[in-house]
Amino acid sequence: DVKVTQSSRYLVKRTGEKVFLECVQDMDHENMFWYRQDPGLGLRLIYFSYDVKMKEKGDIPEGYSVSREKKERFSLILESASTNQTSMYLCASSFGRDGYTFGSGTRLTVV
Amino acid sequence: EDQVTQSPEALRLQEGESSSLNCSYTVSGLRGLFWYRQDPGKGPEFLFTLYSAGEEKEKERLKATLTKKESFLHITAPKPEDSATYLCAVSPGTASKLTFGTGTRLQVTL
Repeated sequence: DVKVTQSSRYLVKRTGEKVFLECVQDMDHENMFWYRQDPGLGLRLIYFSYDVKMKEKGDIPEGYSVSREKKERFSLILESASTNQTSMYLCASSFGRDGYTFGSGTRLTVV
Repeated sequence: EDQVTQSPEALRLQEGESSSLNCSYTVSGLRGLFWYRQDPGKGPEFLFTLYSAGEEKEKERLKATLTKKESFLHITAPKPEDSATYLCAVSPGTASKLTFGTGTRLQVTL
């Protein structure tokens, strides 16, 4: 089974800090995604990547950036964390037309 | 713009009481429709992929069906361990990214 691992389950950061969320998948998936999930709003796509060093903006990219230097690793960066970025962050990977495999999520609190 | 609407928002069933969850969608050329289960505080877990109208998939007490405008997740004789949020998502014809609905929160009581 494909496994998607997110480096932290819970994270507390201060306003203005630079925050890195790491995601690693152990099967040779081309596609990787970052979503945030908020009550009543569902999952919203932040950024995605179809290949190494490639990235595309999703629906809500403002305040975020990403990095994909290796095929198995996709990092989400909050350049200057703000309280409205408090959320559950979910990483996923996929291959072709297959559905996503999700990580277990990182619950980020910005204080 | 791709859209997914799930109903009801919440559903409470007694053990053994069968029901259906609805997922209505609009998408520019359906590449796939996906159902996920999510437990509190965890990432979504893949259940089914449906690719074309008329297709059906089954897994234990769950059965997913697809028409050109909607999908149903039928739950037969549910048990308390089926309690979770069920998410529906669609993938448009040109890309792998998914658009999700806001989910149906299912609670099954004894």
